[in-house]
Amino acid sequence: DAKTTQPTSMDCAEGRAANLPCNHSTISGNEYVYWYRQIHSQGPQYIIHGLKNNETNEMASLIITEDRKSSTLILPHATLRDTAVYYCIVRVLTGNQFYFGTGTSLTVIP
Amino acid sequence: SQTIHQWPATLVQPVGSPLSLECTVEGTSNPNLYWYRQAAGRGLQLLFYSVGIGQISSEVPQNLSASRPQDRQFILSSKKLLLSDSGFYLCAYTGTVFSYEQYFGPGTRLTVT
Repeated sequence: DAKTTQPTSMDCAEGRAANLPCNHSTISGNEYVYWYRQIHSQGPQYIIHGLKNNETNEMASLIITEDRKSSTLILPHATLRDTAVYYCIVRVLTGNQFYFGTGTSLTVIP
Repeated sequence: SQTIHQWPATLVQPVGSPLSLECTVEGTSNPNLYWYRQAAGRGLQLLFYSVGIGQISSEVPQNLSASRPQDRQFILSSKKLLLSDSGFYLCAYTGTVFSYEQYFGPGTRLTVT
């Protein structure tokens, strides 16, 4: 079962930062936070993951609170192509299962 | 390079008919393999995963089954489809148990009529 809670939907103006929150209050010490996104009618795409430090790559930044009970995915300059469903997942590094939940539907508005 | 194939892309089947969806992976050995289903407007539901040939773990009791006859082949089957089996079926793999990235196939859109 998904161990995360995300808002159902969000809007963001094109060119602005999109901040997508995720609550994972029951996260264990050895569980990582992963973010994926799914563009309509395609398979999900990996974005970023982290344990406790903030992470940044060419797609996004991941901010994890000090108590690790929540995190925020930041798309610094949202484009129309970032319109997708964003999934926050917690998983141990050696785990087999990925539980995606229902995610946040992000709409980037021109 | 690693690639994942699924077929067919779309399928329309009557209630009570059998189902067989196939997934194959190239460019990696001993992958973990996964089947997901996504009903219209819903999230991804993990159905089965496999860590090796003949090893299948079921996540949700249902009228579906999975098999892994070869290292890089994963098959999803049903003897009798239900209307509720309609959805978008996705196959995925991870390269090793330590892999943080799961790669997805193009999916099969199944409509049961």
